[in-house]
Parts: sequence; C-alpha cells; structure tokens
Amino acid sequence: GQNIDQPTEMTATEGAIVQINCTYQTSGFNGLFWYQQHAGEAPTFLSYNVLDGLEEKGRFSSFLSRSKGYSYLLLKELQMKDSASYLCAVLDSNYQLIWGAGTKLIIKP
Amino acid sequence: GAVVSQHPSWVICKSGTSVKIECRSLDFQATTMFWYRQFPKQSLMLMATSNEGSKATYEQGVEKDKFLINHASLTLSTLTVTSAHPEDSSFYICSAKTGGEVEQYFGPGTRLTVT
Repeated sequence: GQNIDQPTEMTATEGAIVQINCTYQTSGFNGLFWYQQHAGEAPTFLSYNVLDGLEEKGRFSSFLSRSKGYSYLLLKELQMKDSASYLCAVLDSNYQLIWGAGTKLIIKP
Repeated sequence: GAVVSQHPSWVICKSGTSVKIECRSLDFQATTMFWYRQFPKQSLMLMATSNEGSKATYEQGVEKDKFLINHASLTLSTLTVTSAHPEDSSFYICSAKTGGEVEQYFGPGTRLTVT
C-alpha cells in the first residue's frame, strides 16, 4: 500500500529553526510537495522536489532523498505566523497526490 | 496567476437537501480538477478527479450518485452533494491543474454544515 508518515505535532520557539520530516512508500514517484495549511483554509504551495538535494526558498528549504524515501522541510527564523499544519504529498506513478496526515507546528514566543 | 475560486465559502443546509459547490479557475484553463474532503484535524482525502468533458473518476468508497461532479468547461467544475446528511459536514476543497503541469492550484475551500 501507499504510505506517507510525518509527525503529528511539533513545537518550536519564535526565531528558531525547525525541521519537519516526511517518509514515504508509494507506487512510483513523480515528485514531492510541501504545503502549508492554516486552520480553516486551503493548502498553499511551499515547494516541489523531484530530484535529490536541497531546494532553498527564502526562510523555507526542502530536501529530498529518493533512495531513502525521505524528505524534510526546514523552516528558519520562525515567526508566529508560521504556526500551521504542514502537509507532505507525493505524486505517484499515476500523477495522483498521496497526502500525509500533516504536521501541526506550534510556535511559542 | 493560477487562481482558483470556490463558491460558496460556507453553506448551511438542512438534512435531505442538496447543495452545489462551484470551483473556477480564473486565469488558466483547468484540464483536470480534483475534489477533496477534509474532516477536522485530518488530512485531505481525494474524492474524485475530473477531466473536462469526461465523467469523473471517483475514489474507492466515494458514492458517485451522492457526490455529483460536473466538469463542463475548462474553467468550471461543480460538486453537488445530494440528500445531504450531518455526516457530510466537512471542508470541501477543489484544486485544478493544466495538462502539462504537476502542480495543483487549490481553491479556498467550502465549509459545509448539514443540520
């Protein structure tokens, strides 16, 4: 079966750095997405990785290792507005998104 | 660019009635649209995939006669929840993509409450 695992909840301090991990087992792989979702709102796109390595975009970076079935989202200089759920999703061989359950990130002052 | 709208943003309906949710791509042609449902504190669950001019493909466990999907044009898809029941109360989100891209663009979601 297809499976995506990420921690249910994480807590971090404002100004700090946090890494949210995601491991996956899917039928085929056509890329991995990270989305941010605030409560009651739709997901917003953060990053897309299809090749191994680190992609940096401002305060957010995303890493992928296809051989390990592993990705992480790194958030630097945390701000209170970063409190949200972070969803990992893999595009499988049918180009269908398989979603993780999401990681709720709580930022404390 | 790549804006997707949904209407209404929230709706309350009585049990047994039907409700229609619209999903529009405002500045691009959406060859494929997706409908998701999300219950509180859970991730998105894909309900169905629709390609313009074709019948929707429903995920296992989703009743196609209850959740009617129409994708009549390259900018509009509709989801009709027929004979709604309280257990259908959820956050419904649509997304859209063009044929050559992998990224899906999400609408703002519709909060449905069935009383």
